[in-house]
Amino acid sequence: GAGVSQSPSNKVTEKGKDVELRCDPISGHTALYWYRQSLGQGLEFLIYFQGNSAPDKSGLPSDRFSAERTGGSVSTLTIQRTQQEDSAVYLCASSLSRAENTGELFFGEGSRLTVL
Amino acid sequence: GIQVEQSPPDLILQEGANSTLRCNFSDSVNNLQWFHQNPWGQLINLFYIPSGTKQNGRLSATTVATERYSLLYISSSQTTDSGVYFCAVLPYPHNRKLIWGLGTSLAVNP
Repeated sequence: GAGVSQSPSNKVTEKGKDVELRCDPISGHTALYWYRQSLGQGLEFLIYFQGNSAPDKSGLPSDRFSAERTGGSVSTLTIQRTQQEDSAVYLCASSLSRAENTGELFFGEGSRLTVL
Repeated sequence: GIQVEQSPPDLILQEGANSTLRCNFSDSVNNLQWFHQNPWGQLINLFYIPSGTKQNGRLSATTVATERYSLLYISSSQTTDSGVYFCAVLPYPHNRKLIWGLGTSLAVNP
């Protein structure tokens, strides 16, 4: 697509429920990132996918968080048993991988998650 | 690890004023980007500028990689320039994760 697409744009859920957030990167971009941004805060790195390599999961805050990327394109971030502190905007970004891996990053509009 | 510091943390301007935002980084980088996060939360690419100078309308940016800093210039500011400006770097040698500054929060008053 023309840009990074995320869905849903807004999600309100009850504490304890599972949620899935989707990211469709720019066509041809092999690198995909998930970030989280709490109100008034900077970006917190969650996970990074690069082609067929093992993802870098070092930013996932707990084992309730997981992400997958199917077919090297669309990615889903899953949060199980949501807690109120999970409330944030979840941002997805993609970049065109180059040999030197200095690709410019492009962001989607984010998914705003509210856990009641 | 590499540190990224942005200054000033907050800035209030009158419409029409010019400003300079600064990003210092503590080590060599492969990549540096400036982003604008508007009041609705959308992150917008401004510049991909690991070195040199680029201009886009009223905005321009300069990165002096050897001295480990980058500057973002905003001229003739408008209320739509309000938001948070982030600098993010990709450390050298190869590293997958962008390191982000804490941002400069800009408010442009009419």
